[in-house]
Amino acid sequence: AQKVTQAQTEISVVEKEDVTLDCVYETRDTTYYLFWYKQPPSGELVFLIRRNSFDEQNEISGRYSWNFQKSTSSFNFTITASQVVDSAVYFCAYAGGTSYGKLTFGQGTILTVHP
Amino acid sequence: EADIYQTPRYLVIGTGKKITLECSQTMGHDKMYWYQQDPGMELHLIHYSYGVNSTEKGDLSSESTVSRIRTEHFPLTLESARPSHTSQYLCASSDRIRTGNTGELFFGEGSRLTVL
Repeated sequence: AQKVTQAQTEISVVEKEDVTLDCVYETRDTTYYLFWYKQPPSGELVFLIRRNSFDEQNEISGRYSWNFQKSTSSFNFTITASQVVDSAVYFCAYAGGTSYGKLTFGQGTILTVHP
Repeated sequence: EADIYQTPRYLVIGTGKKITLECSQTMGHDKMYWYQQDPGMELHLIHYSYGVNSTEKGDLSSESTVSRIRTEHFPLTLESARPSHTSQYLCASSDRIRTGNTGELFFGEGSRLTVL
Protein backbone atom coordinates (compact mmCIF):
# COMPACT_ATOMS: atom_id res chain seq x y z
CA ALA A 1 0.00 0.00 0.00
CA GLN A 2 1.10 3.52 -0.65
CA LYS A 3 2.27 5.65 2.21
CA VAL A 4 3.14 9.32 2.49
CA THR A 5 5.19 10.64 5.38
CA GLN A 6 5.71 14.24 6.38
CA ALA A 7 8.24 14.07 9.16
CA GLN A 8 7.74 17.63 10.38
CA THR A 9 4.57 18.08 12.39
CA GLU A 10 5.15 21.77 13.04
CA ILE A 11 7.59 24.37 11.75
CA SER A 12 7.92 27.88 13.08
CA VAL A 13 9.93 30.53 11.24
CA VAL A 14 10.31 34.26 11.20
CA GLU A 15 9.19 36.21 8.17
CA LYS A 16 11.66 36.25 5.27
CA GLU A 17 13.29 32.99 6.30
CA ASP A 18 13.38 30.14 3.81
CA VAL A 19 11.63 26.96 4.88
CA THR A 20 11.55 23.44 3.45
CA LEU A 21 8.76 20.98 4.08
CA ASP A 22 9.78 17.36 3.64
CA CYS A 23 7.72 14.60 2.06
CA VAL A 24 8.69 10.99 1.41
CA TYR A 25 6.51 8.32 -0.10
CA GLU A 26 6.42 4.56 -0.49
CA THR A 27 4.93 2.84 -3.50
CA ARG A 28 5.26 -0.06 -5.88
CA ASP A 29 3.40 1.74 -8.64
CA THR A 30 5.38 2.63 -11.74
CA THR A 31 3.08 5.50 -12.63
CA TYR A 32 1.92 7.86 -9.95
CA TYR A 33 1.31 11.50 -9.10
CA LEU A 34 2.47 13.61 -6.19
CA PHE A 35 0.80 16.73 -4.91
CA TRP A 36 1.09 19.53 -2.43
CA TYR A 37 -2.00 21.14 -0.97
CA LYS A 38 -2.30 24.12 1.37
CA GLN A 39 -5.00 24.30 4.03
CA PRO A 40 -5.46 27.85 5.35
CA PRO A 41 -7.49 28.54 8.50
CA SER A 42 -10.66 28.79 6.38
CA GLY A 43 -10.51 25.03 5.97
CA GLU A 44 -10.50 24.22 2.28
CA LEU A 45 -7.52 22.54 0.67
CA VAL A 46 -5.93 24.56 -2.08
CA PHE A 47 -4.07 22.73 -4.84
CA LEU A 48 -0.47 23.92 -5.25
CA ILE A 49 1.26 21.51 -7.59
CA ARG A 50 1.12 18.09 -9.24
CA ARG A 51 4.12 16.09 -10.48
CA ASN A 52 4.00 12.80 -12.30
CA SER A 53 6.42 9.98 -11.71
CA PHE A 54 8.21 10.27 -15.02
CA ASP A 55 8.95 13.96 -14.76
CA GLU A 56 11.64 14.72 -12.21
CA GLN A 57 12.18 18.25 -13.36
CA ASN A 58 12.09 20.61 -10.43
CA GLU A 59 9.62 23.45 -10.56
CA ILE A 60 9.59 27.01 -9.34
CA SER A 61 6.54 29.19 -9.03
CA GLY A 62 7.26 32.55 -7.51
CA ARG A 63 8.49 31.96 -3.96
CA TYR A 64 7.55 28.28 -4.12
CA SER A 65 9.78 25.54 -5.42
CA TRP A 66 9.56 21.79 -5.45
CA ASN A 67 12.31 19.17 -5.54
CA PHE A 68 11.22 15.74 -6.76
CA GLN A 69 13.79 12.94 -6.43
CA LYS A 70 12.69 9.45 -7.35
CA SER A 71 15.95 7.95 -6.09
CA THR A 72 15.08 8.97 -2.54
CA SER A 73 11.27 8.89 -2.98
CA SER A 74 11.05 12.46 -1.87
CA PHE A 75 9.04 15.47 -3.00
CA ASN A 76 10.11 18.42 -0.90
CA PHE A 77 8.57 21.87 -0.92
CA THR A 78 10.51 25.06 -0.26
CA ILE A 79 9.11 28.50 0.43
CA THR A 80 11.63 31.27 -0.11
CA ALA A 81 11.37 34.50 1.88
CA SER A 82 8.37 33.28 3.83
CA GLN A 83 5.50 35.61 4.63
CA VAL A 84 2.86 35.61 7.36
CA VAL A 85 0.24 34.69 4.74
CA ASP A 86 2.10 31.42 4.18
CA SER A 87 0.99 30.25 7.62
CA ALA A 88 -1.17 27.18 7.02
CA VAL A 89 -1.17 23.42 7.12
CA TYR A 90 0.57 21.87 4.13
CA PHE A 91 -0.21 18.39 2.91
CA CYS A 92 1.75 16.18 0.59
CA ALA A 93 -0.39 13.63 -1.24
CA TYR A 94 -0.05 10.66 -3.57
CA ALA A 95 -2.25 9.16 -6.26
CA GLY A 96 -1.45 5.95 -8.11
CA GLY A 97 -1.75 5.89 -11.86
CA THR A 98 -5.01 3.96 -11.70
CA SER A 99 -6.41 5.51 -8.54
CA TYR A 100 -8.80 7.73 -10.48
CA GLY A 101 -8.32 10.67 -8.20
CA LYS A 102 -8.26 8.94 -4.82
CA LEU A 103 -5.50 10.58 -2.84
CA THR A 104 -3.39 9.31 0.04
CA PHE A 105 -2.37 12.21 2.22
CA GLY A 106 0.57 12.72 4.52
CA GLN A 107 -0.02 13.78 8.09
CA GLY A 108 0.38 17.46 7.31
CA THR A 109 2.87 20.08 8.47
CA ILE A 110 1.72 23.14 10.37
CA LEU A 111 3.73 26.11 9.21
CA THR A 112 3.67 29.26 11.33
CA VAL A 113 5.40 32.35 10.01
CA HIS A 114 5.93 35.03 12.63
CA PRO A 115 6.24 38.72 11.71
CA GLU B 1 -11.56 29.56 -7.81
CA ALA B 2 -13.38 26.29 -7.22
CA ASP B 3 -17.16 26.26 -7.06
CA ILE B 4 -17.83 23.60 -4.50
CA TYR B 5 -19.98 24.32 -1.50
CA GLN B 6 -20.57 22.56 1.76
CA THR B 7 -23.26 23.16 4.33
CA PRO B 8 -23.39 23.46 7.23
CA ARG B 9 -19.92 24.79 7.96
CA TYR B 10 -20.36 24.03 11.65
CA LEU B 11 -22.80 21.68 13.36
CA VAL B 12 -23.12 20.73 17.03
CA ILE B 13 -25.65 18.02 17.76
CA GLY B 14 -26.54 15.46 20.37
CA THR B 15 -25.90 11.74 20.24
CA GLY B 16 -28.40 9.72 18.25
CA LYS B 17 -29.45 12.49 15.86
CA LYS B 18 -29.56 11.98 12.13
CA ILE B 19 -27.52 14.46 10.15
CA THR B 20 -26.88 15.17 6.49
CA LEU B 21 -23.89 17.12 5.28
CA GLU B 22 -24.53 18.76 1.94
CA CYS B 23 -22.02 19.11 -0.88
CA SER B 24 -22.69 20.72 -4.22
CA GLN B 25 -20.45 21.67 -7.11
CA THR B 26 -21.27 23.79 -10.12
CA MET B 27 -18.36 22.72 -12.31
CA GLY B 28 -20.02 19.67 -13.85
CA HIS B 29 -17.33 17.39 -12.43
CA ASP B 30 -18.10 13.71 -12.71
CA LYS B 31 -16.06 12.55 -9.71
CA MET B 32 -16.79 13.52 -6.13
CA TYR B 33 -15.22 12.53 -2.82
CA TRP B 34 -15.67 12.78 0.91
CA TYR B 35 -12.61 12.98 3.13
CA GLN B 36 -12.65 12.87 6.90
CA GLN B 37 -10.08 14.97 8.70
CA ASP B 38 -9.46 14.00 12.31
CA PRO B 39 -8.17 16.39 14.98
CA GLY B 40 -4.64 15.19 14.29
CA MET B 41 -5.05 16.64 10.80
CA GLU B 42 -4.77 13.45 8.73
CA LEU B 43 -7.22 13.18 5.86
CA HIS B 44 -8.76 9.85 4.94
CA LEU B 45 -11.02 9.02 2.01
CA ILE B 46 -14.35 7.67 3.23
CA HIS B 47 -16.55 7.78 0.10
CA TYR B 48 -16.22 8.49 -3.59
CA SER B 49 -18.38 8.59 -6.67
CA TYR B 50 -17.45 8.43 -10.33
CA GLY B 51 -20.83 9.57 -11.55
CA VAL B 52 -24.57 9.49 -11.01
CA ASN B 53 -25.74 6.37 -9.16
CA SER B 54 -22.13 5.36 -8.53
CA THR B 55 -20.82 5.32 -4.95
CA GLU B 56 -17.97 3.42 -3.33
CA LYS B 57 -16.47 3.24 0.12
CA GLY B 58 -13.03 4.66 0.62
CA ASP B 59 -9.98 3.50 2.50
CA LEU B 60 -11.28 4.45 5.94
CA SER B 61 -14.33 2.60 7.16
CA SER B 62 -17.17 4.94 7.97
CA GLU B 63 -20.67 4.49 9.31
CA SER B 64 -21.87 7.28 7.07
CA THR B 65 -23.63 6.76 3.76
CA VAL B 66 -23.68 8.81 0.56
CA SER B 67 -25.85 9.16 -2.50
CA ARG B 68 -25.30 10.59 -5.98
CA ILE B 69 -28.64 11.17 -7.65
CA ARG B 70 -27.50 14.29 -9.46
CA THR B 71 -24.09 15.11 -10.88
CA GLU B 72 -23.73 18.25 -8.82
CA HIS B 73 -24.88 16.90 -5.46
CA PHE B 74 -23.15 14.41 -3.12
CA PRO B 75 -24.67 14.44 0.37
CA LEU B 76 -23.31 12.46 3.31
CA THR B 77 -25.66 11.09 5.96
CA LEU B 78 -25.15 9.77 9.46
CA GLU B 79 -28.26 7.95 10.68
CA SER B 80 -27.32 8.10 14.35
CA ALA B 81 -24.48 10.40 15.27
CA ARG B 82 -22.05 9.50 18.03
CA PRO B 83 -19.18 11.41 19.67
CA SER B 84 -16.72 9.28 17.67
CA HIS B 85 -18.10 10.94 14.53
CA THR B 86 -16.79 14.30 15.68
CA SER B 87 -14.52 15.43 12.87
CA GLN B 88 -14.16 17.73 9.91
CA TYR B 89 -15.64 16.39 6.68
CA LEU B 90 -14.26 17.72 3.40
CA CYS B 91 -15.98 17.28 0.08
CA ALA B 92 -14.03 17.40 -3.18
CA SER B 93 -14.58 16.99 -6.89
CA SER B 94 -12.50 16.42 -9.98
CA ASP B 95 -12.93 16.45 -13.70
CA ARG B 96 -12.01 13.27 -15.56
CA ILE B 97 -11.90 15.04 -18.89
CA ARG B 98 -9.55 17.83 -17.88
CA THR B 99 -7.39 16.20 -15.27
CA GLY B 100 -7.78 12.53 -16.17
CA ASN B 101 -6.69 10.29 -13.37
CA THR B 102 -4.17 12.69 -11.97
CA GLY B 103 -6.11 13.52 -8.86
CA GLU B 104 -6.26 17.29 -8.96
CA LEU B 105 -9.12 17.81 -6.57
CA PHE B 106 -11.13 20.90 -5.79
CA PHE B 107 -12.16 21.05 -2.16
CA GLY B 108 -14.99 22.69 -0.29
CA GLU B 109 -14.37 24.54 2.95
CA GLY B 110 -15.47 21.59 5.05
CA SER B 111 -18.18 20.80 7.57
CA ARG B 112 -17.00 20.65 11.15
CA LEU B 113 -19.23 18.24 13.07
CA THR B 114 -19.28 18.00 16.86
CA VAL B 115 -21.39 15.31 18.47
CA LEU B 116 -22.01 15.73 22.18
